[in-house]
Amino acid sequence: AQSVTQLGSHVSVSEGALVLLRCNYSSSVPPYLFWYVQYPNQGLQLLLKYTSAATLVKGINGFEAEFKKSETSFHLTKPSAHMSDAAEYFCAVSEETGTASKLTFGTGTRLQVTL
Amino acid sequence: DAGVTQSPTHLIKTRGQQVTLRCSPKSGHDTVSWYQQALGQGPQFIFQYYEEEERQRGNFPDRFSGHQFPNYSSELNVNALLLGDSALYLCASSFIASQSTDTQYFGPGTRLTVL
Repeated sequence: AQSVTQLGSHVSVSEGALVLLRCNYSSSVPPYLFWYVQYPNQGLQLLLKYTSAATLVKGINGFEAEFKKSETSFHLTKPSAHMSDAAEYFCAVSEETGTASKLTFGTGTRLQVTL
Repeated sequence: DAGVTQSPTHLIKTRGQQVTLRCSPKSGHDTVSWYQQALGQGPQFIFQYYEEEERQRGNFPDRFSGHQFPNYSSELNVNALLLGDSALYLCASSFIASQSTDTQYFGPGTRLTVL
């Protein structure tokens, strides 16, 4: 069964500092991996996705993530945090079956950005 | 281009009642998935509909049922509500493609409170 572990339920960074949100996955087949962001009282917005085309994936709002098979990781980074990045971030895994697949989410990491 | 829409935004019910939540997928999408997000948790997959049939189901009791209409919109029904059913219910739509994994786009959610 596929699963996702997000290390750190809360991360606090200063504005302008590096953002690093950790995600490790478990999957019996080559995974497809996603990062979603959720702002207060809103749904989920896709930040980026990995589908085996390239190990370094660039997403929206300056975020990127690197797929490392040897470490079973898909950590999310952003070089310089902005106040508007404060939100809940979810890593998710989907196993490709040739049809629409369900997403299995981690428990989320709340990012706080301070002045 | 309208994204995924859900109604109602908020709903308050009492234990034992029944509730129906509605979802309209993003234009061009043919698959609808439903997720339950309890407070402080990641979304949990309930079920998925394609071609008006339930294609996949998560670990949820039969009290949770759904329907997909010919125009691809969908309903989620929950019978005999329990306090533990209080959550944000998210609808996600996607398009089944044989060559690439489907990206699921989420609606803003319906906040259900069971008293």
